[in-house]
Amino acid sequence: GAGVSQTPSNKVTEKGKYVELRCDPISGHTALYWYRQSLGQGPEFLIYFQGTGAADDSGLPNDRFFAVRPEGSVSTLKIQRTERGDSAVYLCASSLTAPQGRHNEQFFGPGTRLTVL
Amino acid sequence: LAKTTQPISMDSYEGQEVNITCSHNNIATNDYITWYQQFPSQGPRFIIQGYKTKVTNEVASLFIPADRKSSTLSLPRVSLSDTAVYYCLVVGTPGGSYIPTFGRGTSLIVHP
Repeated sequence: GAGVSQTPSNKVTEKGKYVELRCDPISGHTALYWYRQSLGQGPEFLIYFQGTGAADDSGLPNDRFFAVRPEGSVSTLKIQRTERGDSAVYLCASSLTAPQGRHNEQFFGPGTRLTVL
Repeated sequence: LAKTTQPISMDSYEGQEVNITCSHNNIATNDYITWYQQFPSQGPRFIIQGYKTKVTNEVASLFIPADRKSSTLSLPRVSLSDTAVYYCLVVGTPGGSYIPTFGRGTSLIVHP
């Protein structure tokens, strides 16, 4: 079956611009996660959705970052006034249910490589 | 959050067994130990998860001693395609954080 997909695969933008990154989770998965990964580092948690609501956004670095999941499926990560330090691979993952007592396997997309010039 | 420590890199050869040990001294009662694998230009992929003793699946085995302060991922007879970064995580609810915290992982290079 179809896995998690992310678009675009690559995004190059200029400092100060606005970008949107899209994630299509696996059908039926209620939990959705966004991570950011810099070169040589592990994925860094940004935000977690359970259904349409953001259950935990403690990883968002500042108020330039925002994410939505209006219908409980597709999610969009939005970055305003991009900075060169935002350059990274942005990963999306989904899992069948919300974590309950144990870690529920997360299925990751291929990521969107964002480059801010 | 339970912090994990694992070697930054390891080298092996095709056909050998590889054991990657992870330390998690402050693991909580509700935490599970989970391992992910990541190939270049791909997202991480779940390998195995356990709570205590030994867990085995078609890909790997996970050994967890009674005190659960460490765990060892065992990859039998590795091949070149096992070259990847391996992440050890401890995650659990309630009381702990259900958000997986990925460290830098262990970069495994398998040589011919």
